[in-house]
Amino acid sequence: EVQLVESGGGLVQPGGSLRLSCAASGFTFSSYWMSWVRQAPGKGLEWVANIKQDGSEKYYVDSVKGRFTISRDNAKNSLYLQMNSLRAEDTAVYYCARSGQQLDYWGQGTLVSVSS
Amino acid sequence: QSVLTQPPSVSAAPGQKVTISCSGSSSNIGNNYVSWYQQLPGTAPKLLIYENNKRPSGIPDRFSGSKSGTSATLGITGLQTGDEADYYCGTWDSSLSGGVFGGGTKLTVL
Repeated sequence: EVQLVESGGGLVQPGGSLRLSCAASGFTFSSYWMSWVRQAPGKGLEWVANIKQDGSEKYYVDSVKGRFTISRDNAKNSLYLQMNSLRAEDTAVYYCARSGQQLDYWGQGTLVSVSS
Repeated sequence: QSVLTQPPSVSAAPGQKVTISCSGSSSNIGNNYVSWYQQLPGTAPKLLIYENNKRPSGIPDRFSGSKSGTSATLGITGLQTGDEADYYCGTWDSSLSGGVFGGGTKLTVL
């Protein structure tokens, strides 16, 4: 059974940093692109970033470029999102998702709140 | 403002049929596969349709997808109260080099 479990969310002050993790199991992690998607409270889905199987390609939504870094550790079956210079508008539930042409499995999400 | 355009809400009676549209451009829907996601209240999104019209294992054939040019449509027949959810279309945008979603459509089964 495919499982994706996010962790690392919490309350952080504007300008602060957080590192999200996503532990994957039930599939060959190193064979798939992986993505982060976020959802602000009461709002729709927003794609944030994705990463190729070997980490050689990464793509980001414009609003996080230069502040967020997606990475992965295939030996640990884990996906990460390093978030720096956080802003109030980054407040959202962050989901990791297995990617291909579609996001076929999603985690339960982890809440990031940016507030003073 | 989302790159893909969906109606904010649709409604229909139990047993009836509803369609949800998703409009884009040549850089996204026009040249890439479209997928659809269902998000029940308080839960994570779930893949409903992929590659325009394919259903993952376990998704009933009451759900269907189609694509024509730069638009896509999700159809749901035999509506049930359990279908009440937010529905999102998504695809890759070749110009943005990123994923894009529609703003979401809230389905109410009256």
